[in-house]
Amino acid sequence: GQNIDQPTEMTATEGAIVQINCTYQTSGFNGLFWYQQHAGEAPTFLSYNVLDGLEEKGRFSSFLSRSKGYSYLLLKELQMKDSASYLCAVGRGSYIPTFGRGTSLIVHP
Amino acid sequence: EPEVTQTPSHQVTQMGQEVILRCVPISNHLYFYWYRQILGQKVEFLVSFYNNEISEKSEIFDDQFSVERPDGSNFTLKIRSTKLEDSAMYFCASSEAGNRGLGNTIYFGEGSWLTVV
Repeated sequence: GQNIDQPTEMTATEGAIVQINCTYQTSGFNGLFWYQQHAGEAPTFLSYNVLDGLEEKGRFSSFLSRSKGYSYLLLKELQMKDSASYLCAVGRGSYIPTFGRGTSLIVHP
Repeated sequence: EPEVTQTPSHQVTQMGQEVILRCVPISNHLYFYWYRQILGQKVEFLVSFYNNEISEKSEIFDDQFSVERPDGSNFTLKIRSTKLEDSAMYFCASSEAGNRGLGNTIYFGEGSWLTVV
């Protein structure tokens, strides 16, 4: 079985930093993905972690701790366009991402 | 930039009718997927397809669903007899690889919104 847990909603101020957490329980872990999804649109790939540690990519960074079943997505210098759902997805034994319910991030001025 | 394309973008169908959703995956990708997202809910895996056969499917993908790669570019999802609860956004996706690392990053199409009435 698989269980992925993320906060339902977060709010933050333009220009600030926000951290979106994801905890998971799964058998056969094969990597953790973060996707961004704007309302009514397709998920778009942000990051992939398979080893412990921090991966930085511009304003976005993603962290993974396999022993704790924990990941976070860090968004810096928030912009209004960052308002979206952020989906944590875990690659299972077959490497197919299984998605959590997502965290709706609202960025306000 | 290569992208996954889907048609139609929106389809309304009567309950019990057959629906075919079409997708053109990214050209050098070998693995193809269908996911669905019921309004307000999470993205759910339906099926994966590799080397002209289903490689994995979820419990949602029952006998009323089928997939096909009729030619070298298209990948289709057929729902034989639609039910009200099939109303959802259906996303096609593809990945370069399916077995390890960043190569199995899935890229999604824009989706086909299916409304069953």
